[in-house]
Amino acid sequence: EVVLTQSPGTLSLSPGERATLSCRASQSVDSTYLAWYQQKPGQAPRLLIYGASSRATGIPDRFSGSGSGTDFTLTISRLEPEDFAVFYCHQSAYSPYTFGQGTKLEIK
Amino acid sequence: QVTLKESGPALVKPTQTLTLTCSFSGFSLSTSGMRVSWIRQPPGKALEWLARIDWDDDKFYSTSLKTRLTISKDTSKNQVVLTMTNMDPVDTATYYCARMRGSYSGFDPWGQGTLVTVSS
Repeated sequence: EVVLTQSPGTLSLSPGERATLSCRASQSVDSTYLAWYQQKPGQAPRLLIYGASSRATGIPDRFSGSGSGTDFTLTISRLEPEDFAVFYCHQSAYSPYTFGQGTKLEIK
Repeated sequence: QVTLKESGPALVKPTQTLTLTCSFSGFSLSTSGMRVSWIRQPPGKALEWLARIDWDDDKFYSTSLKTRLTISKDTSKNQVVLTMTNMDPVDTATYYCARMRGSYSGFDPWGQGTLVTVSS
């Protein structure tokens, strides 16, 4: 199965700063099938990005995704207080589907 | 508006079988491309995909759990059911169902999740 490795495990930043989160796949993944989710405490995950770079409905344009092959990136251009959460990447190119282990974005 | 909601027991005993129901509205699982998956999350841990059922009744399972899982749908009731046999304390988790339109669209939306605790 495809293993997704996210880095860093924890990212400490201040509001207004830029966040860069990485997701590396154990084998090449068609970018069409790479998604990112945000999860806040006590809530279900929310789809942010699908197709590696397409924002889901209602997602602010400070969130952007990029990448191809085995390396994908989620960027938050200017952090707002409500952006601090855990982020997961996910691939649906191969069954079984898999998720990364998550990156916690915390306030510095 | 598309919504999903999970239901099932909050507490099960070790070795018992867990049955969870995902009730949804705002879409039909008989529509081409529609898929519903189950995903779980142990407390404080990462998401783990469990199973998927498609509009054409194709079914897919987690490699490590496939001998214990069965997924089914009742299109007329707008429900997807997941059963997991031989429950163990390590299966304690919040269980989510989520919709996907084709394999490329991501899981959107998710249900609120239901916490299942496995304990004697």
